[in-house]
Amino acid sequence: EVQLLESGGGFLQPGGSLRLSCAASGFTFSTYAMNWVRQAPGKGLEWVSGISGSGDRIYYADSVRGRFTISRDDSKSTLYLQMNSLRAEDTAVYYCAKSSGSFFLYNWFDPWGQGTLVTVSS
Amino acid sequence: DIQMTQSPSSLSASVGDRVTITCRASQGITNYLAWYQQKPGNIPKLLIYAASTLQSGVPSRFSGSGSGTDFTLTISSLQPEDVATYYCQKYNSAPLTFGGGTKVEI
Repeated sequence: EVQLLESGGGFLQPGGSLRLSCAASGFTFSTYAMNWVRQAPGKGLEWVSGISGSGDRIYYADSVRGRFTISRDDSKSTLYLQMNSLRAEDTAVYYCAKSSGSFFLYNWFDPWGQGTLVTVSS
Repeated sequence: DIQMTQSPSSLSASVGDRVTITCRASQGITNYLAWYQQKPGNIPKLLIYAASTLQSGVPSRFSGSGSGTDFTLTISSLQPEDVATYYCQKYNSAPLTFGGGTKVEI
């Protein structure tokens, strides 16, 4: 069974940094693209970032480009999201989601992790 | 960037009703469209991919159609367990934009 388990969320002040992790199991992690999607309280889904299975293609939403960095450690089957210069508007539940294939594009998301809450407030 | 517009943003229907949700892309995306269901307090779940392919295990009362810019998700006979917010998502080009969501109530 495919499992994705996010961790690293928390409460912090604007301008702070945080690193999220997503531990994967139940599939060959290195052969799938992975993604981060967030959901602000009471709001819809917003794709944040994605990385190809090979790690050579990385994409970001405009809202986080230059502040967030996605990476993966295939030896640990773990996806990361380094978040710097955090803002109040980054407050959200952050989900990791497995792509249906190795390429970042042309693949849907399934399954999703349980999410980890990031709260940015002064 | 391609925008994804869902309508309606919410709807209320009765058990057994046929429900249709629309998703419109601002540019053509061929059939690179997925639908997700998010029940209250739960994580999103894949329902349909490639615009019309039902994910394994999803009840057959769900169906998807469309190509290019206009897509629909149909629930043929609404059930109490279908209360949820439904999202479309394009995945042919970055950013992989989601629609704003449609909240379905009974």
